[in-house]
Amino acid sequence: DSGVTQTPKHLITATGQRVTLRCSPRSGDLSVYWYQQSLDQGLQFLIQYYNGEERAKGNILERFSAQQFPDLHSELNLSSLELGDSALYFCASSHNTRTGKETQYFGPGTRLLVL
Amino acid sequence: DAKTTQPNSMESNEEEPVHLPCNHSTISGTDYIHWYRQLPSQGPEYVIHGLTSNVNNRMASLAIAEDRKSSTLILHRATLRDAAVYYCILRDDKIIFGKGTRLHILP
Repeated sequence: DSGVTQTPKHLITATGQRVTLRCSPRSGDLSVYWYQQSLDQGLQFLIQYYNGEERAKGNILERFSAQQFPDLHSELNLSSLELGDSALYFCASSHNTRTGKETQYFGPGTRLLVL
Repeated sequence: DAKTTQPNSMESNEEEPVHLPCNHSTISGTDYIHWYRQLPSQGPEYVIHGLTSNVNNRMASLAIAEDRKSSTLILHRATLRDAAVYYCILRDDKIIFGKGTRLHILP
């Protein structure tokens, strides 16, 4: 158990809908990262937040947005869903983002299926 | 963006050492080399990281080339539970995982 929790574990929805994925980082960790893993794309970095502020951006679509709240939990919002958004979404946390030696701890993931 | 190159898959016998290579010819001086692995149906988990010197921990060893353009993750005695996808990553602001190496362990 990494200490990172993600809810829900599974989500089934329809195209065009909007969903929110939630992540609680390990106690004391200030950084939260979001990743998308699909069969053909591998593990893709989406976005990182550090202590409530956006820190780095990866391959995140404009239909997707994220935020980190004062209690440090984070939400990833996916809107106007398409079939291709079906994937595993992982959240990871680390203590801070100041050095390249920071270890990331991953949650168990949310499996999203868009029908 | 820092990038790494790894073989798509490798195979090893149980209880034998495994050497997983990674090339990172565009590494910058401040990039740390991290290894993670992903077991089936789980999120990635940290294995080891290093900057310049070789590193050992309870899970594995990391051998870093003198010019830092390549590294090797060493599992000293592979077990069936080590079957996973192993990712070599250069840690900077944007974290790029790549496709990793799928390690098969033969009983």
